[in-house]
Parts: sequence; C-alpha cells; structure tokens
Amino acid sequence: DSGVTQTPKHLITATGQRVTLRCSPRSGDLSVYWYQQSLDQGLQFLIQYYNGEERAKGNILERFSAQQFPDLHSELNLSSLELGDSALYFCASSIGLAVQETQYFGPGTRLLVL
Amino acid sequence: AQSVTQPDIHITVSEGASLELRCNYSYGATPYLFWYVQSPGQGLQLLLKYFSGDTLVQGIKGFEAEFKRSQSSFNLRKPSVHWSDAAEYFCAVGAPFGNEKLTFGTGTRLTIIP
Repeated sequence: DSGVTQTPKHLITATGQRVTLRCSPRSGDLSVYWYQQSLDQGLQFLIQYYNGEERAKGNILERFSAQQFPDLHSELNLSSLELGDSALYFCASSIGLAVQETQYFGPGTRLLVL
Repeated sequence: AQSVTQPDIHITVSEGASLELRCNYSYGATPYLFWYVQSPGQGLQLLLKYFSGDTLVQGIKGFEAEFKRSQSSFNLRKPSVHWSDAAEYFCAVGAPFGNEKLTFGTGTRLTIIP
C-alpha cells in the first residue's frame, strides 16, 4: 500500500460526458502528479501540482483540467469525453518538487468511455 | 528532450533463472534513471534509482541495475526470479535540469514459468 488513494476505482461513462477523478496523496506529500496509461500511448505525464499550485504540464488535453485543494487532495476533471480517453489514470505523490524524488503511485482509476 | 526505450515488450523466464531487462535512454548528459514495477491491478512501485556515483545500484526485492554511460543503458537484473516477480517493468528518465518531468518507457511484461 503506497498511501496514495484514488477514487473511484472504475468509471464507465458515455462520450460527451464529464467525470472527476479524485486523489489523496500520502500524508506529508505536497506534490501530486497525474498520469494516463493507455495501450497505444503508454504511461504519459499529464500535470503536476505542488502545494496547491500548478508546477508542470505534460501531454494534457485542453478538455482536461486539474486542481489541488488546500487539504492537498487533487481532482482531475475530464470533459467532452471521447472513446480514446478510455485509459487507466494514475495519481502519484512525492514530498517535494524535485524530479529525483520518489513518486508513490495510487492504484489508479480505470475509465471506460462507451 | 529526454527519451527512453525498452526494446523488449514481453519476456518469459523460468522460475529461478536470471533476468535482465533492457533500458536505453537519450539525453545530453547523465539523467536521473529509475525502474518501477507494476503488478497486475496495482500502481507503480519504485524498485531503484540512479543519480550519480556508483554505477551499480541495488534496489528492493533483490533487483539491481547498472548504469553504462557508453551504451546509454540502465539495465535491470535479478540473479534468480520468483513467481511473484511476474509484472510489468518500466524504466523512466528524468532531467536533472529544466522543468521536464519523468518520461517512462513503454514497459516490459515479465512472465515467469514454473
């Protein structure tokens, strides 16, 4: 158990819909990362937050957005969903900002868009 | 930008046999290098990481990896695999400078046969 929790575990929705994925980082960790894992794209970094502020962006679509709240939990919002958004979405957390810090991954949310 | 290649999509090894998983990176200098493992239905877990110094690094679960600058490689090894090592293994690279985050390889799926 990494200490990172993600809800829900599974999500099935329809094209055009909007969903929210939630992540609670390990106690004491200030950084939260979001990743998308799909068969064709592999594991892709989406976005990083540190202590409530966005710090780095990766291959995140404009239809996707995220935020980190004062209690440090984070939400990833996916809107106008397309079939290709079906994937496993991971949240990871680390103590600080540095890329060399260990990232602790949650179990993921599996999203299926029908 | 950094990149990482895992040439083997799938490897099958007999229980008790030795294992080597290949990882090649592309970066202008010495990057930060990581190996993560993803067991079925789980998030990723860090096995080991390399920043500098001794080129042979020890990790958890009996794994080790060797950094070879001349070959731009960071191969993961284990002298004797156990059935519980069956999982997907990801090599990742991070840049010591700049704001780029971790870039993951496409993964190698390890199957253990009795």
